[in-house]
Amino acid sequence: QVQLVESGGGVVQPGGSLRLSCATSGFMFSDYGIHWVRQAPGKGLEWVAFIRYDGSNKYYADSVKGRFTISRDNSKNTLFLQMNSLRVEDTAVYYCAKDSFRIAAAAYYFDYWGQGTLVTVTS
Amino acid sequence: EIVMTQSPATLSVSPGERATLSCRASQSVSGNLAWYQQKPGLPLRLLIYGASTRATGIPARFSGSGSGTEFTLTINSLQSEDFAVYYCQQYNNWPPLTFGGGTKVEIK
Repeated sequence: QVQLVESGGGVVQPGGSLRLSCATSGFMFSDYGIHWVRQAPGKGLEWVAFIRYDGSNKYYADSVKGRFTISRDNSKNTLFLQMNSLRVEDTAVYYCAKDSFRIAAAAYYFDYWGQGTLVTVTS
Repeated sequence: EIVMTQSPATLSVSPGERATLSCRASQSVSGNLAWYQQKPGLPLRLLIYGASTRATGIPARFSGSGSGTEFTLTINSLQSEDFAVYYCQQYNNWPPLTFGGGTKVEIK
């Protein structure tokens, strides 16, 4: 079955960095785009970033552009999110989510999600 | 950016009754709309895509309708496991992909 497991969350001070990972299994990782989506405590969902199946294109929300970098290692079926210059408002549960379309240039909807990893930015 | 607005924020429904959730887009998203269910401790679950197509394994009591800017998720004969938070998401114009603020369906 399809599985996505996030890790790497924790407590960090404002201005600090953190690297999240998303280990996947149960599907052909190299054929699908993958997203990061976050949810601040008690709030709704916010799309953060998307990387195409082959890593050739990456897209970001304005709120994280220039600070976060999405990447993937198709040989290890793993997605990453490098988060730099963290702010208090980046505090959230971060989910990785598989895009629904195989070998697609665009982003669509999310057919599988991980359970998330909590990032807390506080002084 | 397309803004998605869900209403109501909270819906109180008795088990066995019908729940009707609304989602409105600030501009047309055609039929490129998905619905998700969120329950504590579980991964989010895709319910509907293409505004009205049920995802794999989703019971027939869940149905989606609408196009353009107005969408509805209907849950017929609510079961105990259906009490959760529901989100709509548009994928017509991106980036960014955008979600509604969610509707919590609670037990009346």
